[in-house]
Amino acid sequence: SYELTQPPSVSVSPRQTATITCSGDKLGDKYASWYQQKPGQSPVLVIYQDTKRPSGIPERFSGSNSGNTATLTISETQAMDEADYYCQAWDSSFLYVFGTGTKVTVL
Amino acid sequence: EVQLVESGGGLVQPGGSLRLSCAVSGFTFSSYWMTWVRQAPGKGLQWVANIKQDGSEKYYVESVKGRFTISRDNAKNSLYLQMNSLRGEDTAVYYCAREDSCPGSCEFDYWGQGTLVTVSS
Repeated sequence: SYELTQPPSVSVSPRQTATITCSGDKLGDKYASWYQQKPGQSPVLVIYQDTKRPSGIPERFSGSNSGNTATLTISETQAMDEADYYCQAWDSSFLYVFGTGTKVTVL
Repeated sequence: EVQLVESGGGLVQPGGSLRLSCAVSGFTFSSYWMTWVRQAPGKGLQWVANIKQDGSEKYYVESVKGRFTISRDNAKNSLYLQMNSLRGEDTAVYYCAREDSCPGSCEFDYWGQGTLVTVSS
């Protein structure tokens, strides 16, 4: 089965840059998406097709995907960005898989 | 405005059954694949099942095959998940979500608020 691995936690100071990685075998050959989930709320899509932002998602959220690693970058991190973040990929062989999740703490 | 509203969750004994519903509005339901995703308490997200626009194709995660059935009624703009032979490990919040750009990037662009299923005696 296919697995996507994320660091359990990332800490960042306000206005600094948070970087969250997502590792999977040849992940760069697939598309990666990212979701933000705040406590008690449903997930929200923040990045799709590796680098695109849905309407309403701030420009400080950006993504990349190459080799075995997809990356979500949050620039100028704000307190409101504190949440769990999940990567996700699709492939015709395994269908959908989510990453293990990363808790972002804004100190 | 796109809305997905789940219902039907609750407490059920091991071995029991439950049917979840997801009422959709704000987009042409019959044009999209739809999905169920679950999240066990304090855990991550897990894709459960999805269904093609006309219901002709359905896929499941291995752990629910033979026990869960996904279906849809395009006339009622509704998605369903029939869950039988429920186990403790099925305890989770169940979300319905819309799939977009599939095949291809296949992301979930809209989610419901979730409904909690608790399997316990």
